[in-house]
Amino acid sequence: KNQVEQSPQSLIILEGKNCTLQCNYTVSPFSNLRWYKQDTGRGPVSLTIMTFSENTKSNGRYTATLDADTKQSSLHITASQLSDSASYICVVSGEGNDYKLSFGAGTTVTVRA
Amino acid sequence: DTGVSQDPRHKITKRGQNVTFRCDPISEHNRLYWYRQTLGQGPEFLTYFQNEAQLEKSRLLSDRFSAERPKGSFSTLEIQRTEQGDSAMYLCASSLRGQGGPDTQYFGPGTRLTVL
Repeated sequence: KNQVEQSPQSLIILEGKNCTLQCNYTVSPFSNLRWYKQDTGRGPVSLTIMTFSENTKSNGRYTATLDADTKQSSLHITASQLSDSASYICVVSGEGNDYKLSFGAGTTVTVRA
Repeated sequence: DTGVSQDPRHKITKRGQNVTFRCDPISEHNRLYWYRQTLGQGPEFLTYFQNEAQLEKSRLLSDRFSAERPKGSFSTLEIQRTEQGDSAMYLCASSLRGQGGPDTQYFGPGTRLTVL
């Protein structure tokens, strides 16, 4: 069973709108959680990294939140642009195991004009 | 472009053939990782190196798979006697292990393998 579950699997939004992606994880003990953006046919690119003591982190129009108690994270995209169309992957690593990342299956976001 | 390069970008081979992929990490990075990604899934960890030492291998890495990083710089991943189930995107990533905090893994563009 995957230790990182993401929802929704895919979503379509209109340009300029906001959206929120969800991630639940069971990795324990927890070290850090990352969000990556992966364009089709490309390698993932890091957006944010949060340790257990961080509740929120922003990178431009991307804001990630983390609740280590409930083992949940979200990624909020503000004022979406066509270039935001991609797969967004939630990635978790365990304490003492930071080289070994557990990846969710990703949420595919399609932004339409 | 993250600075991590992989070659080739695409490889089509017949079942039973051997293939070798190359990864060139960001030059000062001491850690290098290999992942496999199938369609609609996130990458799965295969193995990682710290400098030239291969410190962990996933159980996904069968005996037909071997990875090397001979001088602690570039790395190769070889698959012997390829099977159709080996068809996937093979991703390489590198990072600089610092003094504290999680290190960011920078991914290459991947090598897409198709086994006919």
